[in-house]
Amino acid sequence: AQSVTQLDSQVPVFEEAPVELRCNYSSSVSVYLFWYVQYPNQGLQLLLKYLSGSTLVKGINGFEAEFNKSQTSFHLRKPSVHISDTAEYFCAVMYTGGFKTIFGAGTRLFVKA
Amino acid sequence: KAGVTQTPRYLIKTRGQQVTLSCSPISGHRSVSWYQQTPGQGLQFLFEYFSETQRNKGNFPGRFSGRQFSNSRSEMNVSTLELGDSALYLCASSLDSSSGNTIYFGEGSWLTVV
Repeated sequence: AQSVTQLDSQVPVFEEAPVELRCNYSSSVSVYLFWYVQYPNQGLQLLLKYLSGSTLVKGINGFEAEFNKSQTSFHLRKPSVHISDTAEYFCAVMYTGGFKTIFGAGTRLFVKA
Repeated sequence: KAGVTQTPRYLIKTRGQQVTLSCSPISGHRSVSWYQQTPGQGLQFLFEYFSETQRNKGNFPGRFSGRQFSNSRSEMNVSTLELGDSALYLCASSLDSSSGNTIYFGEGSWLTVV
C-alpha cells in the first residue's frame, strides 16, 4: 500500500539550533515528493518539492530536503531555526499516474527561545 | 491571482444531517482534490476530480461524495453526519494532480458535528 511515515510527531528545538524532520515513503518506481508547512490558523503552503535531478532540494525560508531513493526517504532540514518556524510540517508523496497526493500525519515543530 | 476559495469557513451540524461544502479552484486549474484533516491523523485523501471526472477515491464510506462542475468548481457532500466527521475539510487545486504539479490549498471548512 502507498503510505508516508513521518517518524516524529513532535520536535522541540531551541532557537538557532539545527533541525531535521524525517519522512519515509513506501517504495515505488517513480514518485514526486513535497514538504508543506501549516502555520497556526493558516492554510498549507508548499515549502519545497522534488521532481527529478539533483537529490538536494532547496525551498523557502532556508529549508532544504534530500531525496534518498535507496532508503525511500525525504528528510527536511534547516541549519538554524527561528521562533517563526514553529508550525506543523507535512511530507507528501505523489505517485505517478495515481491522481492523488498522500500526506504523512505531520510533525509539529516547536522552537523555544 | 485569487487562491483556492472554500465556503463556508465554519459550520455546526447535528448528527444525522447532511452538509455540502464548496470549493472554487485557482483559475486555470482543472484538478480538485479534497482532504479531511484531523489532529494526529494528518490529511486523509477523500477524492480527486479532473474535468468533471472522479479519477481517484480514498477509503471513506459512501456517505462522502463529491462532484465537479464544468467551470472546475467542486462540491463535496457528507450525508447522515456522525460525530467522527468533525474535522477540517481542505480543498486543493492544481493544473493536474499526477504530473508533479504543486497542489494549492484553500483555508478549509471547519465542520463540527454535535
